[in-house]
Amino acid sequence: DAGVIQSPRHEVTEMGQEVTLRCKPISGHDYLFWYRQTMMRGLELLIYFNNNVPIDDSGMPEDRFSAKMPNASFSTLKIQPSEPRDSAVYFCASRPRGDTEAFFGQGTRLTVV
Amino acid sequence: AQSVTQLDSQVPVFEEAPVELRCNYSSSVSVYLFWYVQYPNQGLQLLLKYLSGSTLVESINGFEAEFNKSQTSFHLRKPSVHISDTAEYFCAVSDTGRRALTFGSGTRLQVQP
Repeated sequence: DAGVIQSPRHEVTEMGQEVTLRCKPISGHDYLFWYRQTMMRGLELLIYFNNNVPIDDSGMPEDRFSAKMPNASFSTLKIQPSEPRDSAVYFCASRPRGDTEAFFGQGTRLTVV
Repeated sequence: AQSVTQLDSQVPVFEEAPVELRCNYSSSVSVYLFWYVQYPNQGLQLLLKYLSGSTLVESINGFEAEFNKSQTSFHLRKPSVHISDTAEYFCAVSDTGRRALTFGSGTRLQVQP
């Protein structure tokens, strides 16, 4: 398996624009996580899914953020409208049921100017 | 809810010297403990984990960590570091319900020749 695949790797956008980050989890993994990494706040859990169903979205910072998982092989994290303080590296991770290890993608570095 | 404290944001060390990266956690329930490593511009990779049983766990590249329940610690050690160990190391905790990981703020290990 190619691992968790995130796209794009880098995104630069202007304030106010809509941004969509994409994630393809490892096939057969039941859990999918979205994390955000910043210098100030470290790694924060935004939301996670189990079998495509959102389980905990308490980490989503505000209504500008939304995440979907329409099927077992694809998830999106959308920011609309984007703001400079959203600049961060966003990681997607997946984990199989019954296991404890989460596998991380290489991240999307988002810069909002 | 759980929390993780990594007191050292940076640890400079000379090659072949021993190193200890400290991690303390807080939780009202039983936990699993993890160390992840992040090399520059990459995602996180699992280094080692404690689930149950022996309190001393080891990785394939010479790191070890010891779970100390009374001190709520899970410090990472290596008796002799290499230049290639330069990376950021994250301690993480999850409850035994195997929900999402909560990460510490990370420790940057800088190995100098």
